[in-house]
Amino acid sequence: GQSLEQPSEVTAVEGAIVQINCTYQTSGFYGLSWYQQHDGGAPTFLSYNALDGLEETGRFSSFLSRSDSYGYLLLQELQMKDSASYFCAVRRQAGTALIFGKGTTLSVSS
Amino acid sequence: DVKVTQSSRYLVKRTGEKVFLECVQDMDHENMFWYRQDPGLGLRLIYFSYDVKMKEKGDIPEGYSVSREKKERFSLILESASTNQTSMYLCASSSTVTGANVLTFGAGSRLTVL
Repeated sequence: GQSLEQPSEVTAVEGAIVQINCTYQTSGFYGLSWYQQHDGGAPTFLSYNALDGLEETGRFSSFLSRSDSYGYLLLQELQMKDSASYFCAVRRQAGTALIFGKGTTLSVSS
Repeated sequence: DVKVTQSSRYLVKRTGEKVFLECVQDMDHENMFWYRQDPGLGLRLIYFSYDVKMKEKGDIPEGYSVSREKKERFSLILESASTNQTSMYLCASSSTVTGANVLTFGAGSRLTVL
């Protein structure tokens, strides 16, 4: 089967840096994705890593190590609006569907 | 600018009722998905479809069925609603050509079964 593990909660203060880790188990690997969901909103796509290394998009970066079945999302210069749930996801073994982790709730305080 | 539209934002149904949740996307995406989201459990895949009239079971298909008669529309059907199907239902779509890992979600349908 496939599974993803990520911390349930992370807290940080404005301006800080936070890292949300994700470990996965999957029989076939088609990349690691990250999604953000604000309270009451729909999940939105943040980033995707198919190969090892760091992908940077503004204040957010995502890292992947395929040999360790591990990735993380790095959020820099945290702002209050970054308070949200963050989900890692991998492609399901059969077909195009994504399987999501249970999500990490990030709380940013002033 | 709405790209994935779910027909009902909130629904209240009674146990045993047949429930239809409709989802329409305007991006000409091949793939469409239904997830349910419950606190502490994340998003769980119910069914997905990669083409018209095609469907695949997800991880929790029991008690649900789907219909995809047109490319833009993907319906989730609860044949006989039960209280344990009270949840937030999220529809999503993706393009095989431009990125199957990039899902666009609808705003969700919160279903309460009494």
